[in-house]
Amino acid sequence: TQLLEQSPQFLSIQEGENLTVYCNSSSVFSSLQWYRQEPGEGPVLLVTVVTGGEVKKLKRLTFQFGDARKDSSLHITAAQPGDTGLYLCWSNTGNQFYFGTGTSLTVIP
Amino acid sequence: EAGVVQSPRYKIIEKKQPVAFWCNPISGHNTLYWYLQNLGQGPELLIRYENEEAVDDSQLPKDRFSAERLKGVDSTLKIQPAELGDSAVYLCASSILDSCGEQYFGPGTRLTVT
Repeated sequence: TQLLEQSPQFLSIQEGENLTVYCNSSSVFSSLQWYRQEPGEGPVLLVTVVTGGEVKKLKRLTFQFGDARKDSSLHITAAQPGDTGLYLCWSNTGNQFYFGTGTSLTVIP
Repeated sequence: EAGVVQSPRYKIIEKKQPVAFWCNPISGHNTLYWYLQNLGQGPELLIRYENEEAVDDSQLPKDRFSAERLKGVDSTLKIQPAELGDSAVYLCASSILDSCGEQYFGPGTRLTVT
């Protein structure tokens, strides 16, 4: 059972455009992480958010945790080809651990 | 510091054959995860160990999948017999025991069942 729904599933944009990826659940998150995965590699952690309403910035990436801790978003400003990859949210509810359904991003030069 | 090591990187087998994957986590990481990942989708947890104890194996198809983590260090995941639908990437990850702990992933083993 996939409790974390990500949207969109696929995204193809031109270099320099902005984009937002969403991660939603009907359950309350204890904490939430965002990972990026490149082809042939394992996912790599980008950020962890813990507090409802929290906003974290990592260079051109902005992560937001919903006030009710049921949703999160990842915003990329001025996307670059190096941002291409599979973006995954991850969370746990109690003792259960889940990855989201994934968003595949392609940034075209 | 060495990362999570997995072997083999690729494996092609015929259906009904057995296969095994090996994972060596980062030194000092007491939590180890095995995930299955289909192309373009999020990884699905198969089993999670804390030290040598399997604390969550609810998604492991126990009729054909088995795993072990002897001595709480490296781990082996086995499939016997393999089915066509088992074709996927099998990822191993490790973390320090913590509910918010960052997971460090290996490169995965790509299994193709023909």
